[in-house]
Formats: sequence, C-alpha cells, structure tokens
Amino acid sequence: GDSVTQMEGPVTLSEEAFLTINCTYTATGYPSLFWYVQYPGEGLQLLLKATKADDKGSNKGFEATYRKETTSFHLEKGSVQVSDSAVYFCALTSGSRLTFGEGTQLTVNP
Amino acid sequence: NAGVTQTPKFQVLKTGQSMTLQCAQDMNHEYMSWYRQDPGMGLRLIHYSVGAGITDQGEVPNGYNVSRSTTEDFPLRLLSAAPSQTSVYFCASSRGQDATNEQYFGPGTRLTVT
Repeated sequence: GDSVTQMEGPVTLSEEAFLTINCTYTATGYPSLFWYVQYPGEGLQLLLKATKADDKGSNKGFEATYRKETTSFHLEKGSVQVSDSAVYFCALTSGSRLTFGEGTQLTVNP
Repeated sequence: NAGVTQTPKFQVLKTGQSMTLQCAQDMNHEYMSWYRQDPGMGLRLIHYSVGAGITDQGEVPNGYNVSRSTTEDFPLRLLSAAPSQTSVYFCASSRGQDATNEQYFGPGTRLTVT
C-alpha cells in the first residue's frame, strides 16, 4: 500500500537558518503530494502541493519539488522564522485516501 | 463561513461508554473524512465519505461507525469506548469526490478513555 516516510524530529533551528525536512514515498500510480502544517492547538492546514513529476509547490517561502526518480518531496525554506515553529506533515493521495507521514516537529529559536 | 466545526473539543469517557463526535461543514464539500492523530504515527484515516449516503472504511475503522445523511454532517460514533481509542480526532472536508483537493480540517476533539 501507499506510505510516506519523513525525517525524524524534532528539529531545532535558530532564526534565519536554512530548513530541509526530508520526505520519501511509496505509491502505485501517480500520486499527488502535499505538505500540511499544524500550529499548536490547531488542525492541519495545507502548506503546498504538487500534482505531477517535476512540479514545484511553493507558499510562504517554503518550497518542495516532486521528484519521481527519487520518490521524494523534500520541504525547504531559506530563512526560517520563530512563527514557523509547528509540526509539518508530508502526505500523498492517489484517489480516495490521503496517507500522512508521521510528522516532523520544528522549533525555531530567536 | 465557519468552515469545518467539531464538537466537543474535549471529552473523557469510561471504558464501554458510547458517544458521538460531531462534524459539520458549510462549504458544500462532497468529500469528508475522519482521522485520528497519535504521537509518532501521524494521522490515520478512520472512515471517509464521497457524498451523502456513501461511506467507506479507511486504515483503522474498527470500533468506529459513521453515517452521512446530509452533505453538511459526518458524525463519528464510538459504540463501546476502549483505552486504545484515546487520541485526538480530526474531521476534514474537501471539494470533489476524492482526496486530491485541499483538505480543510476542523480544530479537533481530544478524547480520553479511562
């Protein structure tokens, strides 16, 4: 079945540092790929998505590129802020079900 | 728009009790789903619905029932609560009849079963 594997957390960075959160997937067919973010005490929100190979999703300074050859969708941001502290989830769907990774806790210190 | 609303926000049950978690959306979305979130395990799909009158099982359906009598509402029923069902439950909805569109999540219900 479909699965998503994220880098283990938690990740702690200083403000303005570069962020990478790794995500790899296993799926049949051609899934759509997502990053969702969960701020403390809230539900998840869509951060960005990509629907086909080589697509780049971007939002709020975050980027991720759909790499079919490496089955990856790594999340990057060039300069993180304290307000980016949250849990980040990589996810995929190839139909009726959305499959999530285990989540990566990010803490950004001033 | 209120988006996706969930009630209650917190609930404590004793083993064997039953309850219904409520979920409603006002965006006329066809697709609705329920997830549970447990530490280190991400979100796991319990049940989903692609429209009124249609429901299907997700990854972890045992111990839970759902129904979808209207487009707006998608309640989740625990018939006989067990400690293993202690979790945070999220309802979500999206346009269309599959999971490829943006999912809008409710604020969650934190359930403790003692």
